[in-house]
Amino acid sequence: DAGITQSPRYKITETGRQVTLMCHQTWSHSYMFWYRQDLGHGLRLIYYSAAADITDKGEVPDGYVVSRSKTENFPLTLESATRSQTSVYFCASSESSPTATNSPLHFGNGTRLTVT
Amino acid sequence: QQPVQSPQAVILREGEDAVINCSSSKALYSVHWYRQKHGEAPVFLMILLKGGEQKGHDKISASFNEKKQQSSLYLTASQLSYSGTYFCGTEMNSGGSNYKLTFGKGTLLTVNP
Repeated sequence: DAGITQSPRYKITETGRQVTLMCHQTWSHSYMFWYRQDLGHGLRLIYYSAAADITDKGEVPDGYVVSRSKTENFPLTLESATRSQTSVYFCASSESSPTATNSPLHFGNGTRLTVT
Repeated sequence: QQPVQSPQAVILREGEDAVINCSSSKALYSVHWYRQKHGEAPVFLMILLKGGEQKGHDKISASFNEKKQQSSLYLTASQLSYSGTYFCGTEMNSGGSNYKLTFGKGTLLTVNP
C-alpha cells in the first residue's frame, strides 16, 4: 500500500546499545524528516533531508545519525542509546518544501522507543 | 526557537467555539496546522503562506497576520471529533528557503458532550 511506514512500532533496548528506526515511503517524496515527541516539548526536529544523499541537522541531533542513500528510505540510528532518548519518534515526508509551498507533512504512525 | 502556542489546554462543550494562537518572536513565512489524536500520528489541517490570508476547512479556519507574527486557528461549533492536540509548525525568517518546520508545544483541546 502507498504511504509512509515506520518500523518497528515498539522497541525496548538497553542503555549503550545501537538501535535503528526505519522509515519507508512509497510516494517518492523528496523531503523527509525525523521528529521526536516528548511530553512538554511537543514535536522536535532531529534531522531532515531534501533528497537522497542530502541531510541536515535539526534542533536536537546529538546522539543520532541518519542516512539517505535511496529516496524512499530514511533510517534513524541511535549510536549508543541513553535513557533520555526514550521517546516517540515520528518520520514524515513532503512532496516539496513544506515551508515554501502548500506541501504538507505526511507522518508515519510512530515508533515508541524505551531505553532501559 | 519554537513558536509559542496558547492556550496550553482548553475544554469545551459540544457546539462551543475556540481559538488557538501561534506566535513567534521572529518573522514568519509560513504556518502549518496539524491535529493529533491520542496515540496517533499528527494529521494535516491547513497551510498558510505569507500574505495574511485566511483559510477554511469545514468549520475550522485559520488566519495569518504577518505584522503580528501570529497565526490563529478558529474552531467553530466544535464537535466531539475535534478533540486532540493541535500543533502549529512554522518556518522562521528565511523566506521559506530552509524547509525546516519547527513546531510549537501543542494545545490540548477536549470537547465534551
